[in-house]
Formats: sequence, C-alpha cells, structure tokens
Amino acid sequence: AQSVTQPDIHITVSEGASLELRCNYSYGATPYLFWYVQSPGQGLQLLLKYFSGDTLVQGIKGFEAEFKRSQSSFNLRKPSVHWSDAAEYFCAVGPMNTGFQKLVFGTGTRLLVSP
Amino acid sequence: DADVTQTPRNRITKTGKRIMLECSQTKGHDRMYWYRQDPGLGLRLIYYSFDVKDINKGEISDGYSVSRQAQAKFSLSLESAIPNQTALYFCATSGEPNTEAFFGQGTRLTVV
Repeated sequence: AQSVTQPDIHITVSEGASLELRCNYSYGATPYLFWYVQSPGQGLQLLLKYFSGDTLVQGIKGFEAEFKRSQSSFNLRKPSVHWSDAAEYFCAVGPMNTGFQKLVFGTGTRLLVSP
Repeated sequence: DADVTQTPRNRITKTGKRIMLECSQTKGHDRMYWYRQDPGLGLRLIYYSFDVKDINKGEISDGYSVSRQAQAKFSLSLESAIPNQTALYFCATSGEPNTEAFFGQGTRLTVV
C-alpha cells in the first residue's frame, strides 16, 4: 500500500533563511506527487505537482520540489522564507491516471517563521 | 467568490444530533470529495463522487452519509453525531485525473 511520511511535525525557520521540508513515500510504481499548503483558516492550496518529466518542479510562491526516485523522496524547498509562508504543508502521493480518491496525504509539517 | 464553498464554517452540535455539512462548487467539475482532517493524521477520505449517480465510500465512511444533489452540490451528513467526529472537514473538487483538486475553506465541527 502507498504511504507518505513527513518526519517533521514542526519546523521553525528565521525569515530570510532557506527552507526544506521532507517528504518520503512508499509506492510501487511511478507516483503522482503533490505539495499543498494550508494557511490558517483556509483550505488547501496546491503549491506544485509532479507526474513526469523534469524531476525539479517549480511551483507558486517561489517553492520548488525535487523528485528523487532512488531515495523515494519529494522534498519541498524555498531559498528565502517570508513571514507569510507560516502555514501547514502537506505532501501527497497517488497513482497516475486515477482520481483523487487514491491520493494519500502525509500528516503535515507546520512551519513557523521567526523574525 | 470562492470556487468551492462550504457551509457552515463552524458548528457546535450535541451528541446524537443529525447534522449536514454542505458544499458547492463553481468549477464545473464532476468529481467531488469529502475529507476529514485531524491533528497528526493528515487528511482522510470519507466519501467521493464522480457524478450525480456515482457515489463511493472512502477510507473512513462509517457514521457518515452523503448526497450529490447536483453536479455542483455535495453534502455530508452525520446521522447521529458522536464526539470523535469532532474534526475539520474539507470538501474538494477535481477535473480529469492528473489535475489538481480545489479545496473549500473547511468546516470546523465540534460534537459535545
């Protein structure tokens, strides 16, 4: 069965510092990978997704993620964090060519940004 | 206006009461979903629907029911609410496979 692990429950980063959020997955075939962000009081917003092609994916708000098949990882990065990036981040994995009903979400990483 | 609208945004109800959470979307998508979010557990799928006549159970459907009144409307009901159904509930909609899902802002439900 597919699974997603986000090993960090909370991360605190200083404003202007770089950020990396970890995501490891278990899946038998080529996965379809997402990162979503949930700002306080808001629904989930798609940051980026990967399903084929270049393994370095660019998303909105200056985020990027790199798919590493050998490490079963899809880590999210941002070179310089802004206070508005404080939110909860979810990684999700699913099989290609199916709907969202097959998607498995990680437990989330809460990002705190210090001044 | 939001693409996916959930009502109510917050609700407190008593154990044993019936409650309905409503979701409407303006994306024109056929696929709609109800998720539950609990701290430390991420999002778990309750029910999903591919069209008005196609409704399916998700991972945690026990204690819940749904109704797809129209392409744009998908309601979640708790027939007899219990305290462990206290959670944040999200509705989402998506188009064809390999496209993104759009989420509502969530309904925070507390069962006392």
